[in-house]
Amino acid sequence: DIQMTQSPSSLSASVGDRVTITCRASQSINNYLNWYQQKPGKAPKVLIYGASSLQSGVPSRFSGSGFGTDFTLTISSLQAEDFATYYCQQSYGALTWTFGQGTKVEIK
Amino acid sequence: EVQLVESGGGLVQPGGSLRLSCEASGFRFSSYWMSWVRQAPGKGLEWVANIKQDGSEKYYADSVKGRFTVSRDNAESSLFLQMSSLRAEDTAVYFCATIDIPPTGTRLLDHWGQGTLVTVSS
Repeated sequence: DIQMTQSPSSLSASVGDRVTITCRASQSINNYLNWYQQKPGKAPKVLIYGASSLQSGVPSRFSGSGFGTDFTLTISSLQAEDFATYYCQQSYGALTWTFGQGTKVEIK
Repeated sequence: EVQLVESGGGLVQPGGSLRLSCEASGFRFSSYWMSWVRQAPGKGLEWVANIKQDGSEKYYADSVKGRFTVSRDNAESSLFLQMSSLRAEDTAVYFCATIDIPPTGTRLLDHWGQGTLVTVSS
């Protein structure tokens, strides 16, 4: 099974900060990597798919990059509504998927 | 508007069974792969199962393989998860979601329901 490792597991940041979250796959997954945002008590929402494609309706301050095993989610200027937990997810191979353990973004 | 509404959650004893449902509306259900994802209290997301449009292909996480069965009824626009031999570690909110496959060829969980809570406890 493909394992996904996110870092950090949590971070504290201020409004306006640039935030970077990384995700590493245990084997190459090409660009089959998605990023989700989840707020407490809510369902997740997809932000980035295919490693770098912005989902419709998602603000352009979110961006993704990477290929193979190493991936990054960047929030260029953190807004109040961005405080949430972020998950990477691989969708490679025989439709057996895995999520990273999550990164909680908190207010400093 | 796409809507997914899960139901069927509740309290069940260890070793028991439960059947979850996900009623879909606002899109052509029969055209989409579908997925179940769960989240234990205070924990992260765990993918559970995927099912093809016609039900001919099904994939499961190792943690549920042999105990859970995913199925669908396209005529009723409904997705199901039959859970048996339940364990305490199956306690979670269970979400159903649509699988979108954009032209890039990747696959993503696009629309999600609000989830239904399953508690396995004596």
